Amino acid sequence: AQSVTQLDSHVSVSEGTPVLLRCNYSSSYSPSLFWYVQHPNKGLQLLLKYTSAATLVKGINGFEAEFKKSETSFHLTKPSAHMSDAAEYFCVVTPPGAGSYQLTFGKGTKLSVIP
Amino acid sequence: DVKVTQSSRYLVKRTGEKVFLECVQDMDHENMFWYRQDPGLGLRLIYFSYDVKMKEKGDIPEGYSVSREKKERFSLILESASTNQTSMYLCASSLPGTSGDTQYFGPGTRLTVL
Repeated sequence: AQSVTQLDSHVSVSEGTPVLLRCNYSSSYSPSLFWYVQHPNKGLQLLLKYTSAATLVKGINGFEAEFKKSETSFHLTKPSAHMSDAAEYFCVVTPPGAGSYQLTFGKGTKLSVIP
Repeated sequence: DVKVTQSSRYLVKRTGEKVFLECVQDMDHENMFWYRQDPGLGLRLIYFSYDVKMKEKGDIPEGYSVSREKKERFSLILESASTNQTSMYLCASSLPGTSGDTQYFGPGTRLTVL
């Protein structure tokens, strides 16, 4: 079985300050991990994914995430928040070799950016 | 770019009505998915399909059925809509293969059942 926990349902940062969105996973094997972003009234868009290659993964719009097996974490970061980053972010886990239909989504973290 | 379109952005239906939600993708993807999204619950998989006329139940299939007669089109059917099916419905598609496949999402249909 697998699960994913997003530790904060809502994060608020000032524009230009760093962003940290926390995600912990539970899996009995080395999973693949994703971050998706959903802007208001839009579908989900892939930010980045980890599939057992480099543990530091760079995504779109300046976001990156680091896979830490010892901590079972996959936190999303960005050095400097922009107003356009305000959205909801989902951490997703899937087992290796199983096909993408076994995605397990976190409950989401809503990011607010204060001007 | 992959494009996934959904037939309606907003729908309002009455309890007991039969409801069809349509999804079309233009990238020849084998896999297609239907999710519902509710505040605080994230996305939950209703059904998926890995080929034409093939379907598998997801985590919450009760009250729903699906149809996939053509590769590019995947329909979600609410046989008799109920108020607890008021939600945002998201369709997605992907290529099959090892895990790590990217799912491409449509813009969603916000369904209200009165």
